Amino acid sequence: AQKITQTQPGMFVQEKEAVTLDCTYDTSDQSYGLFWYKQPSSGEMIFLIYQGSYDEQNATEGRYSLNFQKARKSANLVISASQLGDSAMYFCAMRWYSSASKIIFGSGTRLSIRP
Amino acid sequence: NAGVTQTPKFRVLKTGQSMTLLCAQDMNHEYMYWYRQDPGMGLRLIHYSVGEGTTAKGEVPDGYNVSRLKKQNFLLGLESAAPSQTSVYFCASRGQGTYEQYFGPGTRLTVT
Repeated sequence: AQKITQTQPGMFVQEKEAVTLDCTYDTSDQSYGLFWYKQPSSGEMIFLIYQGSYDEQNATEGRYSLNFQKARKSANLVISASQLGDSAMYFCAMRWYSSASKIIFGSGTRLSIRP
Repeated sequence: NAGVTQTPKFRVLKTGQSMTLLCAQDMNHEYMYWYRQDPGMGLRLIHYSVGEGTTAKGEVPDGYNVSRLKKQNFLLGLESAAPSQTSVYFCASRGQGTYEQYFGPGTRLTVT
């Protein structure tokens, strides 16, 4: 069965520091994709970054990068130079191609940035 | 281009009442999804659709029905609401051959 695990319910980080949010996954599929979404207190879901299982390079989008370690089945999100606006819930999610369409989400990590 | 819209934004129901949530997208996306998010938790997939006229069950389908009569609309129905269905409901859509889901703003449903 497919599973996404986020073991950090909450994190506090000083502004301008880098932060790593953990995500591990479990799937028997060889083809899959991993996502990170941000949910601020306003409630909307904001797509941050995507990594395909066959992508050799780690995905990057501005201050966001995905530390993809396939053998360890981990897909950690790294935010460089954190900002106060980064305070939010962060969700890791996975899509596996044999199911065509399903995406499952982890339970999330609440990130709080201290000024 | 409105993206993904959801109607209504808020609703309070009494136990046993029925209602339909409407999701509409104007991006000509093939795939559409309904999720629920309970307090402090991630999103759980209720039902999804891979195209007009098709629906399939997700992780937590019990107590819900869906229909996709038109490509742009995906309806979520609760036939007999229960307090356990109090949640925030998100709709999302995705284009064929793409990976990013676009989410609606959510509907906050309370069942008393």
